[in-house]
Amino acid sequence: EAAVTQSPRNKVTVTGGNVTLSCRQTNSHNYMYWYRQDTGHGLRLIHYSYGAGNLQIGDVPDGYKATRTTQEDFFLLLELASPSQTSLYFCASSDDKNNYAEQFFGPGTRLTVL
Amino acid sequence: GQQVKQSSPSLTVQEGGILILNCDYENDMFDYFAWYKKYPDNSPTLLISVRSNVDKREDGRFTVFLNKSGKHFSLHITASQPEDTAVYLCAAGADTGYQNFYFGKGTSLTVIP
Repeated sequence: EAAVTQSPRNKVTVTGGNVTLSCRQTNSHNYMYWYRQDTGHGLRLIHYSYGAGNLQIGDVPDGYKATRTTQEDFFLLLELASPSQTSLYFCASSDDKNNYAEQFFGPGTRLTVL
Repeated sequence: GQQVKQSSPSLTVQEGGILILNCDYENDMFDYFAWYKKYPDNSPTLLISVRSNVDKREDGRFTVFLNKSGKHFSLHITASQPEDTAVYLCAAGADTGYQNFYFGKGTSLTVIP
């Protein structure tokens, strides 16, 4: 049973569209992360969260909002999608109990903004 | 600027060969260093990691070497196999009260049978 799941797996929207990407983890981890992966840039952190209601800004937050509603669920919101946000988005979770434990990644969501 | 840099976008090696992947970092406060492996159309998975209190960690064919004074760490793979063909991402982080990691852009490795 996959411990980090993402939905949808693929999404196509138009410029100006409103998109919500969902992530759920069943690892009982406190930390959750949203990354985008683009050719030539590797993984770049958008937002991350320590727990329900907590939100921390990552390295490339512009144009993105996020919300952590429960320990399990972390959402990434694009309220006015732009073509520059066409990317592969990964969610991840990690356990802080032993400091810097492994990050577990979801399968990714491929977003296309036309 | 980029916090973590991988010097080689791609590498090719013959099966059975030894290869070294390199990663440089900017922040001398980083105390956690990791290598992730990513197959096409799959998510990254942790390969090996090390804390700053050691300068080497070995796990089978994979060894990570850490040079803190040079702000550099590397992944050595011995007896390379075709299934090692993947993208390798280095990552580093520091305990700033919140766990945050910086990833390199990745090195695409091809092992030729």
